[in-house]
Amino acid sequence: QKEVEQNSGPLSVPEGAIASLNCTYSDRGSQSFFWYRQYSGKSPELIMFIYSNGDKEDGRFTAQLNKASQYVSLLIRDSQPSDSATYLCAVNMNYGGSQGNLIFGKGTKLSVKP
Amino acid sequence: NAGVTQTPKFQVLKTGQSMTLQCAQDMNHNSMYWYRQDPGMGLRLIYYSASEGTTDKGEVPNGYNVSRLNKREFSLRLESAAPSQTSVYFCASREQTNYGYTFGSGTRLTVV
Repeated sequence: QKEVEQNSGPLSVPEGAIASLNCTYSDRGSQSFFWYRQYSGKSPELIMFIYSNGDKEDGRFTAQLNKASQYVSLLIRDSQPSDSATYLCAVNMNYGGSQGNLIFGKGTKLSVKP
Repeated sequence: NAGVTQTPKFQVLKTGQSMTLQCAQDMNHNSMYWYRQDPGMGLRLIYYSASEGTTDKGEVPNGYNVSRLNKREFSLRLESAAPSQTSVYFCASREQTNYGYTFGSGTRLTVV
C-alpha cells in the first residue's frame, strides 16, 4: 500500500510565527514531492515542489526533503491569517501500472490567529 | 489562460439518474485525472488518462466511466447515480510525469 501521511491538525499558530507542516511517505523510490494549499470550498493550488534532498525556498515558504528518512516538510515563515487553509502533501509514486501518479495525504489544517 | 475548466460547478441528482462531468484544459498537457474528495478521506483517484487515447482505473473506479475525447477533454460519467457518489469532483492535468497537477475548480455533486 502506497501511503502519504500527514497530521490532520488543526495546527494553530499566532500571526508572525513559523508554521511547520510535516509529511512522511512509504515509497522509497519516489522522486518528486509537492505541497498544495486548499482554501475551504476551493480547489488545491500548487505552492511548492522539490526533487532533491535539502531545502528549497520561495518567498515565505521553504520545502525540506530528506529521502533517507522519507520525510518532507513545509515551513511558512511570518505566518499570516491568509495562510489559514488545508495543506496537502503529494508524492509521485510508481506502483503497478500507475505511471507515477500523485498520491495525496489527507492534509493538515492550519489556522493562523491574528 | 483558463487552465482547467470543469462544468457544471454544482449539480443535484436523484438516485438512478445519469450525468456527465466535463473537463477541458488548454495547457497542452498530456495527462488528465479525475479525483473525488470527501471529508476525512482526502483526494482519491477515480480514473486517469496518461495520454490521449488511453484511460486507466484509479483507486475508486466503481460506478464511473471516462472518455478521453481528445487531448484537451476528459469526461467522467455516472451511469446510475447513488448517494455514495455525493462528493466534490476535481479534474486535474499535468504536462508530464514528475510534474505537479493543475486542478480545475471542482464540481459539487449531491445525489438524493
